[in-house]
Amino acid sequence: EIVLTQSPGTLSLSPGERGTLSCRASQSVSNSYLAWYQQRPGQAPRLLIYGASSRAAGIPDRFSGSGSGTDFTLSISRLEPEDFAVYYCQQYGTSPFTFGPGTKVDIK
Amino acid sequence: QLQLQESGPGLVKPSETLSLTCSVSGGSIDSVSYYWGWIRQPPGKGLEWIGTIASGGSIYFNPSLKSRVTISIDTSKNQFSLNLDSVTAADTAVYYCARHVGIVPFFDYWGQGTLVTVSS
Repeated sequence: EIVLTQSPGTLSLSPGERGTLSCRASQSVSNSYLAWYQQRPGQAPRLLIYGASSRAAGIPDRFSGSGSGTDFTLSISRLEPEDFAVYYCQQYGTSPFTFGPGTKVDIK
Repeated sequence: QLQLQESGPGLVKPSETLSLTCSVSGGSIDSVSYYWGWIRQPPGKGLEWIGTIASGGSIYFNPSLKSRVTISIDTSKNQFSLNLDSVTAADTAVYYCARHVGIVPFFDYWGQGTLVTVSS
């Protein structure tokens, strides 16, 4: 099973700042099959990025993904109030398909 | 707009079977392009993929749960279902149903989730 580690656990930022979230895999993620999700309190996860760098439909361009192999990054260029949430990475290249423990982005 | 809605008991006794149904509206569940999955999230914790079913009946399970999980699909009702046997308190979680496009399971549409508590 591929284990995903996300860092930091919590990221405290102010609106308008840039956020950089990391996801590291215990072994290479095949075909860069890595997705990012946003989860607000009491809501279901929302797909942001798939294939490591492709934005899902309707996702603002302030969200961008990068990386390959075992190291992946989600960047949020200018944090809006609605971006304060928990972010999960997921690998879907190797079964079982696993999620990281999440990074909470909260208001500084 | 595609919508998914989970339904089922919110409380299940230990050792019994957890049964949930996901009703899909705004699109057909019977498409070779789409697969339908279950994911769960214990309170305050992360996400765990349970399993996935295709409209043709192919099923993929998380090995950690495989021995206790049954997933089925009813294309006539546009629904798919999850059964989890012999539940314990560790199975208490919000259960989500979701869709992914093709065999590669990143999930683009999710239900709102339903909390299932295992307790006597």
